Amino acid sequence: DQQVKQNSPSLSVQEGRISILNCDYTNSMFDYFLWYKKYPAEGPTFLISISSIKDKNEDGRFTVFLNKSAKHLSLHIVPSQPGDSAVYFCAASAKSGGSNYKLTFGKGTLLTVNP
Amino acid sequence: DAGVIQSPRHEVTEMGQEVTLRCKPISGHDYLFWYRQTMMRGLELLIYFNNNVPIDDSGMPEDRFSAKMPNASFSTLKIQPSEPRDSAVYFCASFKGRTYEQYFGPGTRLTVT
Repeated sequence: DQQVKQNSPSLSVQEGRISILNCDYTNSMFDYFLWYKKYPAEGPTFLISISSIKDKNEDGRFTVFLNKSAKHLSLHIVPSQPGDSAVYFCAASAKSGGSNYKLTFGKGTLLTVNP
Repeated sequence: DAGVIQSPRHEVTEMGQEVTLRCKPISGHDYLFWYRQTMMRGLELLIYFNNNVPIDDSGMPEDRFSAKMPNASFSTLKIQPSEPRDSAVYFCASFKGRTYEQYFGPGTRLTVT
């Protein structure tokens, strides 16, 4: 049972345009969400996070939106740059369940930004 | 800081052999995680430690897998005996409690023939 789903295996956008990566979750206990970026032959690196008490968090070109009623979050990258080309993972945790630091990951979306 | 260090980066072994993967977390981090990444299952948590104590090993696939953390700066993941279906990339990650931003190592690509 996949609790975190990234339904688009890949996404291609032009440099300078907006990239929108989507993520859906099924576990209503999840209350903290993260996005990681992964380049080939490297480990995932943390990008941005959001708590369920917020619906938006912004960090430079990256913005994460959370829609709790729809159990959906999205990552917006504006403007997209060729260096953003990587696999993006959505992850979720039930933070309020005591000291539970387990992260459940989606399968990732490969973003390609074309010059 | 050197980041999370994993060794070896690549391991090729024959079915039935013992495999040991190693991880050195970032100094000062009190949580350590072992993940496995495959095409079919994505990135899945195997086990995690807090202050060198295993907290949750529910993701360990079977008794052939074992993990230890003898001290704050070293952990091992052992597979004995290894099988072709264990072929995957194994990641180690660490972080300091009260944040959720785990820092990943570069991974070990394991191939079992």
